[in-house]
Amino acid sequence: ETGVTQSPTHLIKTRGQQVTLRCSSQSGHNTVSWYQQALGQGPQFIFQYYREEENGRGNFPPRFSGLQFPNYSSELNVNALELDDSALYLCASSLDLTPGLTPNYGYTFGSGTRLTVV
Amino acid sequence: GENVEQHPSTLSVQEGDSAVIKCTYSDSASNYFPWYKQELGKGPQLIIDIRSNVGEKKDQRIAVTLNKTAKHFSLHITETQPEDSAVYFCAASMGYNFNKFYFGSGTKLNVKP
Repeated sequence: ETGVTQSPTHLIKTRGQQVTLRCSSQSGHNTVSWYQQALGQGPQFIFQYYREEENGRGNFPPRFSGLQFPNYSSELNVNALELDDSALYLCASSLDLTPGLTPNYGYTFGSGTRLTVV
Repeated sequence: GENVEQHPSTLSVQEGDSAVIKCTYSDSASNYFPWYKQELGKGPQLIIDIRSNVGEKKDQRIAVTLNKTAKHFSLHITETQPEDSAVYFCAASMGYNFNKFYFGSGTKLNVKP
């Protein structure tokens, strides 16, 4: 059984740059959710993709954007990086029959990408 | 917006003792409450969950209680072991969504041998 894999594991970027983070869903999962976890804090919901469409977004500016591909893998893109974007970025995949309205099956987190903006 | 508050932020117990972590939430529509354990360098792992139509759930040494009227829920770990040391997060579903969550700020549990 493959879990959720994220790449890269660590990344250092300069303020103002753009970054792309990647997530491979667990086999059989069709939904990917992205979270930002600042140091010493709990994860904060960024957005979710279900069958390649955005399905809900948290309180994050438009410079945070995403994609989901036909194989259900996903990307998180952040433009115009700011120092406060430094965090652990987590993705979680799940199998959802009717998004959000039926119990999710196997909501599984990856180990995250540690982004440092300098 | 939704706010999930979690206490304490750190908890140190002796091996074999019990540990209790408490959370409150504000969204009355939340109906699913998972608990996660996060070890250093890893993503959160689900350890137990509870739905709003249940008041208590137990799985071996771990139990969760929910008081929907008061909007608070708690994690209880009995007979703690050093391998229980980690950061624990409570979460509440965003309304009726079972797959979007508000998280608490975490409790760092240290179990001393």
